[in-house]
Amino acid sequence: EAQVTQNPRYLITVTGKKLTVTCSQNMNHEYMSWYRQDPGLGLRQIYYSMNVEVTDKGDVPEGYKVSRKEKRNFPLILESPSPNQTSLYFCASRRGATEAFFGQGTRLTVV
Amino acid sequence: AQTVTQSQPEMSVQEAETVTLSCTYDTSESDYYLFWYKQPPSRQMILVIRQEAYKQQNATENRFSVNFQKAAKSFSLKISDSQLGDAAMYFCAYRSFRAGSYQLTFGKGTKLSVIP
Repeated sequence: EAQVTQNPRYLITVTGKKLTVTCSQNMNHEYMSWYRQDPGLGLRQIYYSMNVEVTDKGDVPEGYKVSRKEKRNFPLILESPSPNQTSLYFCASRRGATEAFFGQGTRLTVV
Repeated sequence: AQTVTQSQPEMSVQEAETVTLSCTYDTSESDYYLFWYKQPPSRQMILVIRQEAYKQQNATENRFSVNFQKAAKSFSLKISDSQLGDAAMYFCAYRSFRAGSYQLTFGKGTKLSVIP
């Protein structure tokens, strides 16, 4: 089954404790991206990747890092999480002009 | 930069009735894609319908159809014969047709309630 898998689905952490949210897709898609969703703001892009070892910033990249060492994986790294990074995070992938496929979302709470 | 505006934060519809969700966008480009995504309480983002700007014909998927007005930069979603399972957040999104365009620009969403 074609899918984008994020882990974990839920995470509560403390300020400053490094964390990684994983994202994996099994569709051989070139493009992958991370979004955060906040009430009243919709979804905003954090980072995207055009292919292996090629990444770039989206609209809200501050406080986040990404890497793309393999085509299928695109982890989101928070080196020092802060409460304003409490949000719902989505990973998405697509090939060319097709629509984006989204993961199930990760609900992150930073206390 | 492109912007997408959904002017209705919340809407409700009676079961079996028809409802229209509004979306307007701002762009200087002539070729682009427009999407409607549905987000039920499960949080999964589900593609409802897609429209290519170069196509004059409005897209249709079963009970879902769009009214695409390119000159007015309007892209509304009509849901016919509304069902309880249609209750969700609906997001309108824009993506450029331009090579190297990687970003989906989303509106802020419309929460749709379906009344039994």
